[in-house]
Parts: sequence; structure tokens; C-alpha cells
Amino acid sequence: SAVISQKPSRDICQRGTSLTIQCQVDSQVTMMFWYRQQPGQSLTLIATANQGSEATYESGFVIDKFPISRPNLTFSTLTVSNMSPEDSSIYLCSVLVFSQNTEAFFGQGTRLTVV
Amino acid sequence: DQQVKQNSPSLSVQEGRISILNCDYTNSMFDYFLWYKKYPAEGPTFLISISSIKDKNEDGRFTVFLNKSAKHLSLHIVPSQPGDSAVYFCAASQAGTALIFGKGTTLSVSS
Repeated sequence: SAVISQKPSRDICQRGTSLTIQCQVDSQVTMMFWYRQQPGQSLTLIATANQGSEATYESGFVIDKFPISRPNLTFSTLTVSNMSPEDSSIYLCSVLVFSQNTEAFFGQGTRLTVV
Repeated sequence: DQQVKQNSPSLSVQEGRISILNCDYTNSMFDYFLWYKKYPAEGPTFLISISSIKDKNEDGRFTVFLNKSAKHLSLHIVPSQPGDSAVYFCAASQAGTALIFGKGTTLSVSS
């Protein structure tokens, strides 16, 4: 299994500012994933964070808006840049663990409100 | 294009009865399927999973059924309890890549 500590758990930010979300995993993992859950919507994959290389972004998400760092195998950050009210959402980091079964573990989530 | 679909946004069930949550997918390359439960202000919690080589997996009150020909899976909860009330997400993965989630079904179990 994996335990993920994600912070902050929530924040209220002014439009035009940036917020960096941190995720710390209690074990080394190759890939970390960042998701967004907008109100009433599914979890949408933003990007895959790989250690030692640039993150891979899904369609509709760009590095300038959501820069990601992955300095080592246990830590990653996601920055939401130049925020607007449309960025208000829950942001979650996740890791996949391969053992007898494949299972994804999630951080507690960051509830972001942009005013 | 939504690859994982949960067409029922909500489901209400009486305590003790069976809850059946459904999920459809379009990508035949998915080889692993998972169900997650999510409470407000918390991250998703893993419930149960199934590999594409199986058609059924059971864990206590939770059973997942997979019908590959119909590209359909379902989660059965028997008996349902009020504490099961939450949003349930179906998710699929291809070759160990990131999970693709459905929109979720809100289950309400009344006592």
C-alpha cells in the first residue's frame, strides 16, 4: 500500500495568483498522477509526473498553467497558475502500486476556491 | 469522448437491500477495473478491483462483475448499510497507466 500526504487541504485564493500543492508518498513510486474533480464531475487526469523527466499532460491541460515538479520518487508538486474562478476544484494526487493487484492510492485532496 | 461511463448519477436503496451500481466502458484495451468510494472532503478510497481475465471478484459485502463482451461492469453491495452512502466511482486502467474515471454515482442508503 501507499500513504500520501497532500497539502494544503483547502485554500481560498485571489484570481491571478498561483497555488502550489504538495504530495509526499511514504514509499518510492515511479509514476504519480494529478487529477482534478470539478463540482459534480468525475476525476479528470491532468498529467502524469515522472521522476527525471517532464510531466506528460492530458488534452486540455498545459504546462504553463499547471507546472509540475517531481524532484524524487516520493514527492511531487502541482502549481495552479494565474488562477481564475474556473479553476475552483478539488485537486488530487495519486500513485499506482503494482503487487498482487493493481491499486491506486490518493491523497486527501486540495479543495481550491478562487475568488 | 468519455471512455468510462456511469449513466446513473444517483441511486437510493433501503438498508439491508442490494445496491447495484453500473459502469460501461468503450476502450477494449482496458485490462483492470476498480471501484472507489468517496466521501466529501476526502480522497477516493479503494473498494474492489477486477482484472480483465476474470468475470467476478468478491470481497465481503462487495462483488464486482465484469462482462467483457458488453463492456460493462457492476458493483453489488449486499446488504447495503447507511454507512455505504457515498459517491462511487468506476475506474479503468490500461497496462498500468493512469486510471480513467467515470462521473460517479451517489448512493444513498436509508435506514
